[in-house]
Amino acid sequence: AQSVTQLDSQVPVFEEAPVELRCNYSSSVSVYLFWYVQYPNQGLQLLLKYLSGSTLVKGINGFEAEFNKSQTSFHLRKPSVHISDTAEYFCAVSYNQGGKLIFGQGTELSVKP
Amino acid sequence: ETGVTQSPTHLIKTRGQQVTLRCSSQSGHNTVSWYQQALGQGPQFIFQYYREEENGRGNFPPRFSGLQFPNYSSELNVNALELDDSALYLCASSPLGSGGAGELFFGEGSRLTVL
Repeated sequence: AQSVTQLDSQVPVFEEAPVELRCNYSSSVSVYLFWYVQYPNQGLQLLLKYLSGSTLVKGINGFEAEFNKSQTSFHLRKPSVHISDTAEYFCAVSYNQGGKLIFGQGTELSVKP
Repeated sequence: ETGVTQSPTHLIKTRGQQVTLRCSSQSGHNTVSWYQQALGQGPQFIFQYYREEENGRGNFPPRFSGLQFPNYSSELNVNALELDDSALYLCASSPLGSGGAGELFFGEGSRLTVL
């Protein structure tokens, strides 16, 4: 069965420190990969996506992610976080464009001053 | 450009009741998907509608049903509510079939509490 695993449920970090949120997926076929952010009491907002091409993907708010096919990973990184980055982050995979997304359980990023 | 809008934002029901949630898709989007997000969990796919027909369904019982209208807006209906149906219900639209880049655009959700 297809699945997405976010390896950390909570990641506390100090402001201006770097952060990496880890995501692994299980699939034997080509996939499309996404990271979404959810602020409290809001819906999901797309941070970035990998459809094809360069394995390093840059998104909004200074986030980037690297697609690693051999390790079936799509880790999200930011070199310097802000208090405003505090939110829940979801990794998701899709097997066709515009099709259903399979989400991970989420990682709660907590940025402390 | 108007984004995805959902109504109501919050509602409380009791076990056994029925509920209808509504979603207006983003302008130009012909596909609507519904997701259930239980507290502390990632969203789970319920179903997708494309041109008024169901176009994929997740592992949800038949008491979860939907509709899509000619203007691409959509409804999610849940019959015989159970306590475990308490969740945030998210609607997402996308321009399937128009060469879109695979992104889903989400509304802010309808939070359902079943007592």
